[in-house]
Amino acid sequence: RKEVEQDPGPFNVPEGATVAFNCTYSNSASQSFFWYRQDCRKEPKLLMSVYSSGNEDGRFTAQLNRASQYISLLIRDSKLSDSATYLCVVNRSIGNEKLTFGTGTRLTIIP
Amino acid sequence: SAVISQKPSRDICQRGTSLTIQCQVDSQVTMMFWYRQQPGQSLTLIATANQGSEATYESGFVIDKFPISRPNLTFSTLTVSNMSPEDSSIYLCSARSGGAGEQFFGPGTRLTVL
Repeated sequence: RKEVEQDPGPFNVPEGATVAFNCTYSNSASQSFFWYRQDCRKEPKLLMSVYSSGNEDGRFTAQLNRASQYISLLIRDSKLSDSATYLCVVNRSIGNEKLTFGTGTRLTIIP
Repeated sequence: SAVISQKPSRDICQRGTSLTIQCQVDSQVTMMFWYRQQPGQSLTLIATANQGSEATYESGFVIDKFPISRPNLTFSTLTVSNMSPEDSSIYLCSARSGGAGEQFFGPGTRLTVL
């Protein structure tokens, strides 16, 4: 089983729609969770951290379910500029600074 | 935030040769890493570059193939040695300050081995 699993997509979503991605992780000792965004031929950039209580940043909402070991990302009112690959990222264990990346979910927003 | 630059941005190399990639961070950082990303794949950690000591390699990666230097808190190099076509990939430098800090990435070096 992969350490971090994501549906690779692609998700083709009309502009203005709401889209949600899920990600599961295998290591119950993981403590830090993130969503990164990677545009085509660019480096990954942090979109948002994911906190236990859930957190929101504008149109983006991230949630964590420790019992089921999954993380979600919700994008509301999607924009053309949201088209990218979204990477689910988890640290390996308590005190371990190394990050494990999922394979990413490709999102295309259609005009 | 940290701004990371890498040189070269891309290269095409012959089988059996070696390439050294340089990574420069615009501020002192605690941790530096080297990743590989093959087409359509996610990022795979090659090693953690330790300042003033030998790098810590992940399973499947060895120092003889991927020697790494980190002479100070802002600079690191990764060498891809005795290259084969299987080494064709994007190599990314990454840096973070502190355990909970944001991790930043360089723009990557796109390597093609013929």
